[in-house]
Amino acid sequence: GAGVSQSPRYKVAKRGQDVALRCDPISGHVSLFWYQQALGQGPEFLTYFQNEAQLDKSGLPSDRFFAERPEGSVSTLKIQRTQQEDSAVYLCASDEGSMETQYFGPGTRLLVL
Amino acid sequence: QQQVKQSPQSLIVQKGGIPIINCAYENTAFDYFPWYQQFPGKGPALLIAIRPDVSEKKEGRFTISFNKSAKQFSLHIMDSQPGDSATYFCAATEFNTDKLIFGTGTRLQVFP
Repeated sequence: GAGVSQSPRYKVAKRGQDVALRCDPISGHVSLFWYQQALGQGPEFLTYFQNEAQLDKSGLPSDRFFAERPEGSVSTLKIQRTQQEDSAVYLCASDEGSMETQYFGPGTRLLVL
Repeated sequence: QQQVKQSPQSLIVQKGGIPIINCAYENTAFDYFPWYQQFPGKGPALLIAIRPDVSEKKEGRFTISFNKSAKQFSLHIMDSQPGDSATYFCAATEFNTDKLIFGTGTRLQVFP
């Protein structure tokens, strides 16, 4: 079966550009998470959806970051006016809502020049 | 403030050795402690997990030891293989949440 997929896998943006990162969770998974992983660091929580409801966005670093999951399936993380410090791998994960195993996608590596 | 502290940062062992990675936490609301394995260019994958009502859990060559009073837990990899070379992350979640709090990672290299 298909796992979590993310696109694009790599994105190079000029400072100030807007970017949109897509996550396709495992079919039927209720919960969806976004994490940011800086080089050589552990992933850090950004935001969490249960179906289409965004229940926790406490990890979003600024109001330039926005996430949505309008139909409770695919999610998009949007970063407006990108800055160099936004360069990182953005990971998406999903689970069945069982509060246990999260399955991660391969990530999108964002480089802001 | 690092909620989950992980050590060492890197570890080199010979094939067959038993690398041990340690993690410590302060938040007593944490009630689920997974370990993730990450290969370059891939997302983290769940390896093994434990809840605080158990002091040890073993799955194949991987064992978690958990010390609730000391607020510490560790991962042991028995008979390590070159294919185990990866970065390992401990993590924790609070009761009734799914949000994973990760440690800083340990890069393990197993030489033949």
